[in-house]
Amino acid sequence: EAGVAQSPRYKIIEKRQSVAFWCNPISGHATLYWYQQILGQGPKLLIQFQNNGVVDDSQLPKDRFSAERLKGVDSTLKIQPAKLEDSAVYLCASSLDRGRHYEQYFGPGTRLTVT
Amino acid sequence: AQSVTQLDSHVSVSEGTPVLLRCNYSSSYSPSLFWYVQHPNKGLQLLLKYTSAATLVKGINGFEAEFKKSETSFHLTKPSAHMSDAAEYFCVVNGNQGGKLIFGQGTELSVKP
Repeated sequence: EAGVAQSPRYKIIEKRQSVAFWCNPISGHATLYWYQQILGQGPKLLIQFQNNGVVDDSQLPKDRFSAERLKGVDSTLKIQPAKLEDSAVYLCASSLDRGRHYEQYFGPGTRLTVT
Repeated sequence: AQSVTQLDSHVSVSEGTPVLLRCNYSSSYSPSLFWYVQHPNKGLQLLLKYTSAATLVKGINGFEAEFKKSETSFHLTKPSAHMSDAAEYFCVVNGNQGGKLIFGQGTELSVKP
């Protein structure tokens, strides 16, 4: 079974530039998550999708971050414009369905450096 | 609100000796608890999970954890450390019924030969 795929694996940009990350979840998984992991900290949920609808985006800085999951499969996370504090690893995860008993499977992450 | 505190940011053990990684949680309802491991430049992998069944949970690679409600703890243990166990470990609680995970700050485990 193929895992969660993310690209790119690494990205370096200057502040005020824009960047986009892509995630392909495990086939058949209805729930998709984006987490931000700042160096030395645990991951923090940015946004959760159920199929192509947003379930939780309470921690997403909506003035600069946006995300979509068209057709309920792949998802993109965009930052525009980027700030220095956005330097982090962005993790995508998916689960079969929404709920506390469903295991989340994580992708390898995209490491973003903003200079 | 739900939260997790990992009591040690770094633990160092010798190969073949026991491992103890400590975690306390706070939850307003009966929680689900997890331990994830993250090797350098790799994704997060689930080690084990507690979801209100047996309080002693066995996971992969010889790890286990015990849920103690009276102490609000969920410590991770392994009888004998292996070099390949060196990694970052995260204690995690479910943030709500919908699947949101709340991660601790992480504990870096070093294993000396």
